[in-house]
Amino acid sequence: QAQLVQSGGEVKRPGASVKVSCQASGYTFTGYYIQWVRQAPGQGLEWLGWINPNSGATEYTPKFQGWVTMTRDTSISTAYMEVTRLTFDDTAVYYCARDHSSGGYYFGLDVWGQGTAVTVSS
Amino acid sequence: EIVLTQSPATLSLSPGERATLSCRASQSVRSFLAWYQQRPGQAPRLLIYDASNRATGIPARFSGSGSGTDFTLTISSLEPEDFAVYYCQQRSNWLTFGGGTKVEMK
Repeated sequence: QAQLVQSGGEVKRPGASVKVSCQASGYTFTGYYIQWVRQAPGQGLEWLGWINPNSGATEYTPKFQGWVTMTRDTSISTAYMEVTRLTFDDTAVYYCARDHSSGGYYFGLDVWGQGTAVTVSS
Repeated sequence: EIVLTQSPATLSLSPGERATLSCRASQSVRSFLAWYQQRPGQAPRLLIYDASNRATGIPARFSGSGSGTDFTLTISSLEPEDFAVYYCQQRSNWLTFGGGTKVEMK
């Protein structure tokens, strides 16, 4: 069955960068967008942006433009999200999710990674 | 940016009771709306897509309705495992989530 497996938790200093990976299996990686979402401790879900694994095209929500970069490697069915210039406010669980849209219908974020905890601490 | 407002923030109910959760959009999202359940320490799980369609494996006690700007998620009879946080999400214009409704046991 379709699955997304993310890299393990990270602890970073303020000002550093972190790169989270999301490996897909059980489906055609290039057939679905990958969305990135984060959740700060005790807070709701916040959308960061998406990548089209087929073309490599990306879209970022304005808040994250310029300091979040999404890439992919189709040879290993893996999407990446890098956050630079980390601050304490970037402490969160970061999720990747498969975005299923087809034929003018929206089928939702139907497969989620397990989440990657990123802690920013001095 | 389309803003999704969920109400109430917290719903205190007993097992077997009916839960009605609301999600209102700041502008029309047509039917491009989904609902998710999140239990503590877990990733969100898709419940409803395209406003009213149950995702694979979701029990029939979960139902969604609405279109345009007003949407509802109904849980007809709460089971113990249904006490969790629920989020709505739109995909009509970029992507946004509502702030969530926590369904807690009374």
